[in-house]
Amino acid sequence: GENVGLHLPTLSVQEGDNSIINCAYSNSASDYFIWYKQESGKGPQFIIDIRSNMDKRQGQRVTVLLNKTVKHLSLQIAATQPGDSAVYFCAERGGNNDMRFGAGTRLTVKP
Amino acid sequence: EPEVTQTPSHQVTQMGQEVILRCVPISNHLYFYWYRQILGQKVEFLVSFYNNEISEKSEIFDDQFSVERPDGSNFTLKIRSTKLEDSAMYFCASSNDAKNIQYFGAGTRLSVL
Repeated sequence: GENVGLHLPTLSVQEGDNSIINCAYSNSASDYFIWYKQESGKGPQFIIDIRSNMDKRQGQRVTVLLNKTVKHLSLQIAATQPGDSAVYFCAERGGNNDMRFGAGTRLTVKP
Repeated sequence: EPEVTQTPSHQVTQMGQEVILRCVPISNHLYFYWYRQILGQKVEFLVSFYNNEISEKSEIFDDQFSVERPDGSNFTLKIRSTKLEDSAMYFCASSNDAKNIQYFGAGTRLSVL
């Protein structure tokens, strides 16, 4: 079936470096994508979203890029901080308005 | 800042027992969701609810599951006869529009023994 997946299950970066987390999706009908951050013992926390009519969106220290041609989504975190350490999920909304989550990437920031 | 609250934070139950997980969505939100996350796995959609009825449900949401909005503030998930494999984190989420951001609660950890 169609699914949302991630290229890498873990990512380790040095504090201050930029992080890039990737996500592949296969549902061409998906029109809305969200990146969530999940810290240990907590629920998913919204980071940034993008609709399918855009290819880039920027927030505070975060940028989401959407490439619909290859069905690829990425989250860029600038100047990564220890507080950014968490599991990051991409989620897509297909035709049914429910969010489908990817498997998650664990980001570890080394001081 | 408004948030989704869930109770209890941890529920322990015996196999075969009924459990009710409770959620208070953000007050002006009209769309409500339940998700579950088995330990170490991804978040999985269970059900969405709008206008006092289920709008979507996944294959996980079988006859053992039900949802209800018993009053103007609570949104509950009931599992009629729990199985060992129901052990997971259950997250409630809400949004003010079907096409907008879903905000998640901190979750209820369900342990079925």
